[in-house]
Amino acid sequence: DAKTTQPTSMDCAEGRAANLPCNHSTISGNEYVYWYRQIHSQGPQYIIHGLKNNETNEMASLIITEDRKSSTLILPHATLRDTAVYYCIVLTGANNLFFGTGTRLTVIP
Amino acid sequence: NAGVTQTPKFRVLKTGQSMTLLCAQDMNHEYMYWYRQDPGMGLRLIHYSVGEGTTAKGEVPDGYNVSRLKKQNFLLGLESAAPSQTSVYFCASSPWVLETQYFGPGTRLLVL
Repeated sequence: DAKTTQPTSMDCAEGRAANLPCNHSTISGNEYVYWYRQIHSQGPQYIIHGLKNNETNEMASLIITEDRKSSTLILPHATLRDTAVYYCIVLTGANNLFFGTGTRLTVIP
Repeated sequence: NAGVTQTPKFRVLKTGQSMTLLCAQDMNHEYMYWYRQDPGMGLRLIHYSVGEGTTAKGEVPDGYNVSRLKKQNFLLGLESAAPSQTSVYFCASSPWVLETQYFGPGTRLLVL
């Protein structure tokens, strides 16, 4: 089962880009990379996902390396409301969901 | 659409008591999930369902039972609550297994 490694915490200045790394060195060809975030004690919120290509939506961009062993979530202009725990998840099936402890991002004014 | 709702929002139980947590979704999703989250930890999958009438074990199923009698509802039962089951419980649903999961607001359970 592919699992992920993320830094425990990161800080980012308000208005700057936040780059959150994730290692998934054992990922296999049919496994997707998903990113969720959890603000305070609310339910996790979907951000973005990808398989091989880089992806962008209204919230963030996802950069996946060519060998797919790591990825980076980019929040282009971090705001105070982006302070949260960010989870990188490798997903194959319902019984392989593993959230880990994520990265606690603190956006500093 | 209400999305995913959970009932109750908060509950206090004594050791040995039983209770049922209700999760409801109005998005016609096939897949539903129950997670628990302990302080400072990530979410751990308890049980999940791939459709009406089906259930399966996740990472931490011991001490819990589930039922999916209706497509829109997923029930999580604690037959004999223990202090180790003090946690925040999140329900989620998704259209299919590799698609986005939508989470409910959580149920905070304290077992004394």
